[in-house]
Amino acid sequence: DTAVSQTPKYLVTQMGNDKSIKCEQNLGHDTMYWYKQDSKKFLKIMFSYNNKELIINETVPNRFSPKSPDKAHLNLHINSLELGDSAVYFCASSRTGNQPQHFGDGTRLSIL
Amino acid sequence: AQSVTQLDSHVSVSEGTPVLLRCNYSSSYSPSLFWYVQHPNKGLQLLLKYTSAATLVKGINGFEAEFKKSETSFHLTKPSAHMSDAAEYFCVVSALGNQGGKLIFGQGTELSVKP
Repeated sequence: DTAVSQTPKYLVTQMGNDKSIKCEQNLGHDTMYWYKQDSKKFLKIMFSYNNKELIINETVPNRFSPKSPDKAHLNLHINSLELGDSAVYFCASSRTGNQPQHFGDGTRLSIL
Repeated sequence: AQSVTQLDSHVSVSEGTPVLLRCNYSSSYSPSLFWYVQHPNKGLQLLLKYTSAATLVKGINGFEAEFKKSETSFHLTKPSAHMSDAAEYFCVVSALGNQGGKLIFGQGTELSVKP
């Protein structure tokens, strides 16, 4: 069974569209995260939620809005997609904020 | 503020020879340090973690890392490389305080293994 699963795996869309990426973890963890990996493979945290509450919100444009309906899910909605949003987005989870994080396989977003 | 610097963007070794991936960290406090590996088109997998217990940390797949406070280093080693070790490796430090859970990544080191 996949511990952290993201859908879709690939997402190709046009500039200006709105899209969502879903993430689910079956590890019973309390904390979930979204990371962005750019074309040079640099990883940077975007958001983290603990038990549905926003904990970390890095300097991410308002077009990005995370939503956590329950502690097993953390979805990422992106409005008005721009070329610079092309990247791989990773979801992760951990038991608490200071425990090792488990990552999903990533969603590869390409903006045409 | 915490940070990590991976000293090599790319390392190439022959199968069966030792692996050394270098990482220096910067932290005002005793840090929590990790090494993660990323295989192509995959997510990140935890190799090992240091959390102020033993300075020599053993991880999965024969990897280990040594925490050296005097050198502010946390280098990753493996005695004998295998073809399946070819991947991207990230040295990571965990932020402190109310930013607990925020991981700060190094730039990554791509490991190539030649037959």
